[in-house]
Amino acid sequence: ETGVTQSPTHLIKTRGQQVTLRCSSQSGHNTVSWYQQALGQGPQFIFQYYREEENGRGNFPPRFSGLQFPNYSSELNVNALELDDSALYLCASSLFRQGYNEQFFGPGTRLTVL
Amino acid sequence: EDQVTQSPEALRLQEGESSSLNCSYTVSGLRGLFWYRQDPGKGPEFLFTLYSAGEEKEKERLKATLTKKESFLHITAPKPEDSATYLCAVQVGVTGGFKTIFGAGTRLFVKA
Repeated sequence: ETGVTQSPTHLIKTRGQQVTLRCSSQSGHNTVSWYQQALGQGPQFIFQYYREEENGRGNFPPRFSGLQFPNYSSELNVNALELDDSALYLCASSLFRQGYNEQFFGPGTRLTVL
Repeated sequence: EDQVTQSPEALRLQEGESSSLNCSYTVSGLRGLFWYRQDPGKGPEFLFTLYSAGEEKEKERLKATLTKKESFLHITAPKPEDSATYLCAVQVGVTGGFKTIFGAGTRLFVKA
């Protein structure tokens, strides 16, 4: 069984640039969620994808967007980067069910915006 | 507003000194409560799912319990390798899906 993988591991960008982060789901999972974790804080929910459509979103502006592909992998895109976007970005996958959904996380991408 | 609060923010224990971490929550329509362990610079590692009040789960030195308003993570005779941040998260339903709300975590330090 393959776990959740993310790329790249680290990334440095400058303010105003755009960035794309990638995630491969754990095998057998069909739902992907993205989180932003600032230093010393818990992960904050950005959005979630199921069957290639966004089906849940947290309090993040539209410059945070995403995609899910037919193989359930996913991308997080952030436009017009701001200094406050510096954080650990986490991807979590799960098998969608009507009750609770156990999510398994990847190692994260550390984004630094200068 | 859905909210998750963890206490204490940090906890320092001697090896073998048992203690508990608290997670209190205010949400509408709880689907499940989760505990994760996170090491510095890494993604959270899944520990437990609790679904209904009165439920208990155990794994090695850890035991998680759930009431209608809070959950506890009990650590029995901790070892230095248990040092990490422990995150609590609650899951609620939203139109077409769900969202998971995390607390800020409890940083546990276990000294040999």
